[in-house]
Amino acid sequence: KAGVTQTPRYLIKTRGQQVTLSCSPISGHRSVSWYQQTPGQGLQFLFEYFSETQRNKGNFPGRFSGRQFSNSRSEMNVSTLELGDSALYLCASSLGTAGNTIYFGEGSWLTVV
Amino acid sequence: KQEVTQIPAALSVPEGENLVLNCSFTDSAIYNLQWFRQDPGKGLTSLLLIQSSQREQTSGRLNASLDKSSGRSTLYIAASQPGDSATYLCAVSDVTGANNLFFGTGTRLTVIP
Repeated sequence: KAGVTQTPRYLIKTRGQQVTLSCSPISGHRSVSWYQQTPGQGLQFLFEYFSETQRNKGNFPGRFSGRQFSNSRSEMNVSTLELGDSALYLCASSLGTAGNTIYFGEGSWLTVV
Repeated sequence: KQEVTQIPAALSVPEGENLVLNCSFTDSAIYNLQWFRQDPGKGLTSLLLIQSSQREQTSGRLNASLDKSSGRSTLYIAASQPGDSATYLCAVSDVTGANNLFFGTGTRLTVIP
Protein backbone atom coordinates (compact mmCIF):
# COMPACT_ATOMS: atom_id res chain seq x y z
CA LYS A 1 0.00 0.00 0.00
CA ALA A 2 1.42 3.36 -1.02
CA GLY A 3 2.43 5.76 1.73
CA VAL A 4 1.81 9.46 2.04
CA THR A 5 3.09 11.23 -1.07
CA GLN A 6 4.17 14.85 -1.12
CA THR A 7 5.10 16.97 -4.09
CA PRO A 8 7.30 18.74 -4.87
CA ARG A 9 10.09 17.44 -2.68
CA TYR A 10 12.31 20.49 -3.08
CA LEU A 11 11.63 24.01 -4.19
CA ILE A 12 13.16 27.46 -4.05
CA LYS A 13 11.01 30.57 -4.06
CA THR A 14 11.65 34.28 -3.85
CA ARG A 15 10.41 36.42 -1.00
CA GLY A 16 6.94 37.76 -1.79
CA GLN A 17 5.96 34.87 -4.04
CA GLN A 18 3.42 32.22 -3.17
CA VAL A 19 3.76 28.44 -3.11
CA THR A 20 1.41 25.46 -3.24
CA LEU A 21 2.35 22.08 -1.82
CA SER A 22 0.46 18.90 -2.50
CA CYS A 23 -0.21 15.80 -0.41
CA SER A 24 -1.81 12.48 -1.32
CA PRO A 25 -2.77 10.50 1.80
CA ILE A 26 -2.75 6.76 2.24
CA SER A 27 -5.69 5.19 0.47
CA GLY A 28 -8.71 5.15 2.75
CA HIS A 29 -7.41 7.86 5.05
CA ARG A 30 -9.71 10.83 5.39
CA SER A 31 -7.67 13.04 7.68
CA VAL A 32 -4.75 15.08 6.41
CA SER A 33 -2.65 17.29 8.67
CA TRP A 34 0.17 19.66 7.86
CA TYR A 35 3.21 20.49 9.97
CA GLN A 36 6.10 22.90 9.64
CA GLN A 37 9.53 21.79 10.84
CA THR A 38 12.36 24.26 11.42
CA PRO A 39 15.60 23.94 13.40
CA GLY A 40 14.52 26.69 15.76
CA GLN A 41 10.87 25.85 16.41
CA GLY A 42 10.82 22.12 15.78
CA LEU A 43 7.61 20.57 14.52
CA GLN A 44 4.55 22.79 14.66
CA PHE A 45 0.99 21.95 13.68
CA LEU A 46 -0.48 24.02 10.85
CA PHE A 47 -3.94 22.58 10.22
CA GLU A 48 -5.95 19.42 9.76
CA TYR A 49 -8.58 18.59 7.17
CA PHE A 50 -11.16 15.86 7.41
CA SER A 51 -13.74 15.18 4.72
CA GLU A 52 -12.93 18.46 2.98
CA THR A 53 -13.43 20.53 6.15
CA GLN A 54 -10.78 22.19 8.25
CA ARG A 55 -11.09 20.53 11.63
CA ASN A 56 -8.22 22.11 13.52
CA LYS A 57 -5.88 25.02 13.01
CA GLY A 58 -2.56 25.88 14.60
CA ASN A 59 -1.20 29.27 15.48
CA PHE A 60 0.01 30.47 12.09
CA PRO A 61 -0.82 33.67 10.19
CA GLY A 62 -3.53 33.76 7.56
CA ARG A 63 -0.88 33.57 4.82
CA PHE A 64 -0.95 29.83 5.45
CA SER A 65 -4.02 28.13 4.08
CA GLY A 66 -5.07 24.74 2.89
CA ARG A 67 -7.83 22.71 1.39
CA GLN A 68 -8.85 19.13 0.89
CA PHE A 69 -10.50 17.60 -2.12
CA SER A 70 -13.19 14.93 -2.30
CA ASN A 71 -10.55 12.24 -2.91
CA SER A 72 -8.84 13.31 0.36
CA ARG A 73 -5.84 14.81 -1.42
CA SER A 74 -4.80 18.07 0.17
CA GLU A 75 -2.93 21.20 -0.78
CA MET A 76 -1.45 23.91 1.35
CA ASN A 77 -0.65 27.38 0.15
CA VAL A 78 1.64 30.02 1.55
CA SER A 79 1.25 33.51 0.15
CA THR A 80 3.62 36.45 0.35
CA LEU A 81 6.54 34.25 1.32
CA GLU A 82 8.98 35.42 3.97
CA LEU A 83 12.51 34.22 4.62
CA GLY A 84 11.29 32.65 7.85
CA ASP A 85 8.94 30.36 5.93
CA SER A 86 11.94 28.30 4.84
CA ALA A 87 11.24 24.91 6.36
CA LEU A 88 10.39 21.28 5.83
CA TYR A 89 6.63 21.00 5.38
CA LEU A 90 5.29 17.62 6.39
CA CYS A 91 1.95 16.13 5.56
CA ALA A 92 0.42 13.36 7.66
CA SER A 93 -2.59 11.18 7.14
CA SER A 94 -4.73 8.97 9.32
CA LEU A 95 -8.07 7.25 9.25
CA GLY A 96 -9.35 10.29 11.05
CA THR A 97 -11.04 8.86 14.10
CA ALA A 98 -9.46 9.57 17.43
CA GLY A 99 -6.54 7.46 18.46
CA ASN A 100 -5.37 6.22 15.07
CA THR A 101 -1.74 6.07 14.11
CA ILE A 102 -0.60 9.06 12.10
CA TYR A 103 1.61 8.46 9.06
CA PHE A 104 3.91 11.10 7.63
CA GLY A 105 5.17 11.78 4.14
CA GLU A 106 8.77 12.58 3.24
CA GLY A 107 8.06 16.30 3.24
CA SER A 108 8.56 19.27 0.95
CA TRP A 109 11.70 21.32 1.48
CA LEU A 110 10.94 24.98 0.88
CA THR A 111 13.73 27.52 0.66
CA VAL A 112 12.80 31.20 0.43
CA VAL A 113 15.52 33.50 -0.88
CA LYS B 1 -0.58 25.02 26.28
CA GLN B 2 0.95 21.54 26.13
CA GLU B 3 4.73 21.47 26.25
CA VAL B 4 6.72 18.36 25.44
CA THR B 5 10.34 17.96 26.48
CA GLN B 6 12.82 15.28 25.51
CA ILE B 7 16.01 14.58 27.37
CA PRO B 8 18.77 14.14 26.43
CA ALA B 9 18.95 16.16 23.22
CA ALA B 10 21.67 13.86 21.91
CA LEU B 11 22.99 10.46 22.90
CA SER B 12 25.86 8.29 21.65
CA VAL B 13 26.10 4.63 22.62
CA PRO B 14 28.19 1.67 21.46
CA GLU B 15 26.48 -0.98 19.41
CA GLY B 16 24.69 -3.63 21.45
CA GLU B 17 23.89 -1.40 24.39
CA ASN B 18 20.37 -1.02 25.76
CA LEU B 19 19.16 2.56 26.08
CA VAL B 20 16.26 4.67 27.29
CA LEU B 21 14.93 7.88 25.78
CA ASN B 22 12.78 10.16 27.88
CA CYS B 23 9.76 12.30 27.10
CA SER B 24 7.77 14.50 29.47
CA PHE B 25 4.66 16.56 28.92
CA THR B 26 3.06 19.27 31.02
CA ASP B 27 -0.64 18.51 30.58
CA SER B 28 -1.66 14.98 31.54
CA ALA B 29 -4.99 15.31 29.72
CA ILE B 30 -3.80 13.50 26.63
CA TYR B 31 -5.55 11.07 24.33
CA ASN B 32 -2.47 9.19 23.24
CA LEU B 33 1.28 9.42 22.82
CA GLN B 34 3.23 8.39 19.75
CA TRP B 35 6.94 7.80 19.21
CA PHE B 36 8.49 8.53 15.82
CA ARG B 37 11.92 8.29 14.30
CA GLN B 38 13.25 10.72 11.73
CA ASP B 39 16.26 10.05 9.54
CA PRO B 40 18.20 13.07 8.25
CA GLY B 41 16.27 14.92 5.55
CA LYS B 42 13.36 12.51 5.75
CA GLY B 43 9.84 12.40 7.07
CA LEU B 44 8.72 10.74 10.29
CA THR B 45 8.22 7.02 10.74
CA SER B 46 5.75 5.94 13.39
CA LEU B 47 7.25 3.49 15.89
CA LEU B 48 4.70 3.01 18.64
CA LEU B 49 1.35 4.44 19.64
CA ILE B 50 0.19 4.27 23.26
CA GLN B 51 -3.39 5.12 24.11
CA SER B 52 -3.89 7.06 27.35
CA SER B 53 -5.47 3.99 28.98
CA GLN B 54 -2.41 1.83 28.23
CA ARG B 55 0.80 1.53 30.21
CA GLU B 56 3.11 0.22 27.50
CA GLN B 57 3.48 -0.98 23.94
CA THR B 58 6.10 -3.24 22.42
CA SER B 59 7.35 -3.74 18.89
CA GLY B 60 10.39 -5.89 18.34
CA ARG B 61 13.34 -4.38 20.21
CA LEU B 62 11.31 -1.30 21.14
CA ASN B 63 9.23 -0.84 24.26
CA ALA B 64 7.42 2.36 25.14
CA SER B 65 5.87 3.08 28.50
CA LEU B 66 3.44 5.75 29.55
CA ASP B 67 2.78 7.23 32.99
CA LYS B 68 0.05 9.73 32.23
CA SER B 69 -0.39 10.97 35.77
CA SER B 70 3.25 12.02 36.04
CA GLY B 71 3.42 13.23 32.44
CA ARG B 72 6.20 10.88 31.34
CA SER B 73 6.98 8.34 28.69
CA THR B 74 10.08 6.33 27.95
CA LEU B 75 11.25 4.54 24.84
CA TYR B 76 13.47 1.57 25.56
CA ILE B 77 15.65 0.25 22.74
CA ALA B 78 17.24 -3.12 23.33
CA ALA B 79 20.49 -4.30 21.76
CA SER B 80 21.03 -1.10 19.78
CA GLN B 81 22.29 -1.29 16.19
CA PRO B 82 23.93 1.32 13.91
CA GLY B 83 20.70 1.36 11.89
CA ASP B 84 18.92 2.75 14.95
CA SER B 85 20.84 6.01 14.52
CA ALA B 86 18.22 8.71 13.95
CA THR B 87 16.31 11.43 15.77
CA TYR B 88 13.54 10.11 17.98
CA LEU B 89 10.50 12.28 18.60
CA CYS B 90 7.59 11.85 20.94
CA ALA B 91 4.27 13.54 20.34
CA VAL B 92 1.04 13.77 22.32
CA SER B 93 -2.47 14.45 21.16
CA ASP B 94 -4.86 16.38 23.34
CA VAL B 95 -7.80 14.87 25.15
CA THR B 96 -10.14 15.29 22.20
CA GLY B 97 -7.99 12.95 20.14
CA ALA B 98 -7.71 15.50 17.39
CA ASN B 99 -4.87 15.00 14.98
CA ASN B 100 -2.91 18.06 16.06
CA LEU B 101 0.12 16.62 17.75
CA PHE B 102 2.41 18.43 20.15
CA PHE B 103 5.97 17.37 19.49
CA GLY B 104 9.07 17.30 21.60
CA THR B 105 12.35 18.59 20.18
CA GLY B 106 13.72 15.10 19.81
CA THR B 107 16.71 13.04 20.89
CA ARG B 108 19.41 12.51 18.29
CA LEU B 109 20.74 8.98 18.77
CA THR B 110 24.04 7.76 17.38
CA VAL B 111 24.91 4.08 17.70
CA ILE B 112 28.65 3.55 17.23
CA PRO B 113 29.70 0.30 15.52
